Amino acid sequence: DAGVTQSPTHLIKTRGQQVTLRCSPKSGHDTVSWYQQALGQGPQFIFQYYEEEERQRGNFPDRFSGHQFPNYSSELNVNALLLGDSALYLCASSRGTTNNEQFFGPGTRLTVL
Amino acid sequence: GESVGLHLPTLSVQEGDNSIINCAYSNSASDYFIWYKQESGKGPQFIIDIRSNMDKRQGQRVTVLLNKTVKHLSLQIAATQPGDSAVYFCAERETSYDKVIFGPGTSLSVIP
Repeated sequence: DAGVTQSPTHLIKTRGQQVTLRCSPKSGHDTVSWYQQALGQGPQFIFQYYEEEERQRGNFPDRFSGHQFPNYSSELNVNALLLGDSALYLCASSRGTTNNEQFFGPGTRLTVL
Repeated sequence: GESVGLHLPTLSVQEGDNSIINCAYSNSASDYFIWYKQESGKGPQFIIDIRSNMDKRQGQRVTVLLNKTVKHLSLQIAATQPGDSAVYFCAERETSYDKVIFGPGTSLSVIP
């Protein structure tokens, strides 16, 4: 049983560019949450998707957007990249949305030059 | 805004000793708390959780204690092993909201 998978593992972009990160949830999970983890800090909640809709959002600008597909996989899009967007982007999946254990993927390391 | 914080950023313990990692939270409405372990190059791994209607919960070699009066959470690791070396995060969640709020983390180093 595969756990949460993310692609790509590493990515280098330049300022102003756009990036799309992908996540496949653990089998049987229907909820996907995205987090940004800056170096040396705890993960910060970006948003959560359930039933193909954004349910909750953290304090991130509209440059951060997402999507969930019918097979529960998800994408995170970031437009107009800034140097400060360099971070590890984590995807977590769970079954339902009410305090169920979240399983994290290995993350995508994004570097913005 | 509301946040979860840790008292100690780093902790070094001798192999075989017990480890205690502390965490303070500020959102009194939080009713679900989780401890995660994150090894280098990996995503956070669930260790143990506790709901606000409990004071203590035990797992394999780990115990989480919750003191709602002082908004304090701790993780105890018995007989710490080299494989326990990692960064540990406490996190909180409020039932009416889906987002999990992480603390800044404590780096645990186990000395062989």
